[in-house]
Amino acid sequence: SQKIEQNSEALNIQEGKTATLTCNYTNYSPAYLQWYRQDPGRGPVFLLLIRENEKEKRKERLKVTFDTTLKQSLFHITASQPADSATYLCALNAGNMLTFGGGTRLMVKP
Amino acid sequence: DTGVSQDPRHKITKRGQNVTFRCDPISEHNRLYWYRQTLGQGPEFLTYFQNEAQLEKSRLLSDRFSAERPKGSFSTLEIQRTEQGDSAMYLCASSFSPGGNYGYTFGSGTRLTVV
Repeated sequence: SQKIEQNSEALNIQEGKTATLTCNYTNYSPAYLQWYRQDPGRGPVFLLLIRENEKEKRKERLKVTFDTTLKQSLFHITASQPADSATYLCALNAGNMLTFGGGTRLMVKP
Repeated sequence: DTGVSQDPRHKITKRGQNVTFRCDPISEHNRLYWYRQTLGQGPEFLTYFQNEAQLEKSRLLSDRFSAERPKGSFSTLEIQRTEQGDSAMYLCASSFSPGGNYGYTFGSGTRLTVV
């Protein structure tokens, strides 16, 4: 069956450290993968997109990698701040819409 | 244009009642999506429109659910004979077709509680 798996346990890190979140998928062949941020009671907000032929994409303190052999994407936030605390969702295209993972909650402590 | 708007933000209804939610997408976007999200889970796809045509529906969308997008502008999602299992956040999103380059723009959602 098709699955998109993100660590359901919250990730707690200290301010200033790098947070690394994982997204693994099975039985998909996505042309691209996206990452979103979601705050409590709000809709997801688009952060980054990476295509199947790209290994890495950066935007300010964010970096995403995409390994189609391992069927995995890693999402990094460098120099993390308490304001980065949120749930982060990965999503990949499955047909004509995005399919989302369950999200990982990130807590950055001062 | 201030983004995707959803109305109402919260809805409490008694089991068996009908409810209708509205979504106003970004005007330049031709695709509109409905998702449902329960606590601790990611959004689950329900249906999407390209302009006024409803092109795909999830198996999650039982016959009690109906969505429309008249004239390719705003969209409504109606749930008839609500059940407690319908309690969730209903999210609307819009995008440029096919939506890959810029992601989806989501609204803040309508939180439905069925009592």
